[in-house]
Amino acid sequence: DSGVTQTPKHLITATGQRVTLRCSPRSGDLSVYWYQQSLDQGLQFLIQYYNGEERAKGNILERFSAQQFPDLHSELNLSSLELGDSALYFCASSPLRGSYGYTFGSGTRLTVV
Amino acid sequence: AQTVTQSQPEMSVQEAETVTLSCTYDTSENNYYLFWYKQPPSRQMILVIRQEAYKQQNATENRFSVNFQKAAKSFSLKISDSQLGDTAMYFCAFMKRPGNNNDMRFGAGTRLTVKP
Repeated sequence: DSGVTQTPKHLITATGQRVTLRCSPRSGDLSVYWYQQSLDQGLQFLIQYYNGEERAKGNILERFSAQQFPDLHSELNLSSLELGDSALYFCASSPLRGSYGYTFGSGTRLTVV
Repeated sequence: AQTVTQSQPEMSVQEAETVTLSCTYDTSENNYYLFWYKQPPSRQMILVIRQEAYKQQNATENRFSVNFQKAAKSFSLKISDSQLGDTAMYFCAFMKRPGNNNDMRFGAGTRLTVKP
């Protein structure tokens, strides 16, 4: 157990639908990062939050949004889902400065049918 | 923008032998951090080793070591005495000096198979 909790582990939904992925960071970590990993590919950075505020954006689609709540958990909302959104979505967390690397959750496997 | 390139999509090695995975990166930053992550079939991302760019000494963690060549922007991972449990995808990652925005950028990965 890495200390970063992601729910659900698996999610199957239809095209056009909306889903919410949840992440609880490791205790004490203020930064949360979301990554997308399509089949057998590298991790694409989506967005970073620090202590409730958005700090960095990567290649996140307009159909996707995220937020970090006062208790530091984060949610990634994916709407108008397309087949190509099927992927493994990782959440990671780090302390104030992530120079020792991130701690990753076990990911949410999203399948859009 | 920083980019990370892993030119070896797949590699294999015999158990107990040594293998080196390559990684190059492109940045105009002077201070940054480099990482190798392992992703076994379970899909969990596991930190293997990290290197601080301002340190000339190569990082070592048990059987894992790096060859960091800052001028060449190269950061290779050497796995000694390979074990079956080392079979995994290996990702090289770059992070500029931590500040408010310190997102990590990953390469495409190298799939390593350790053969018995």
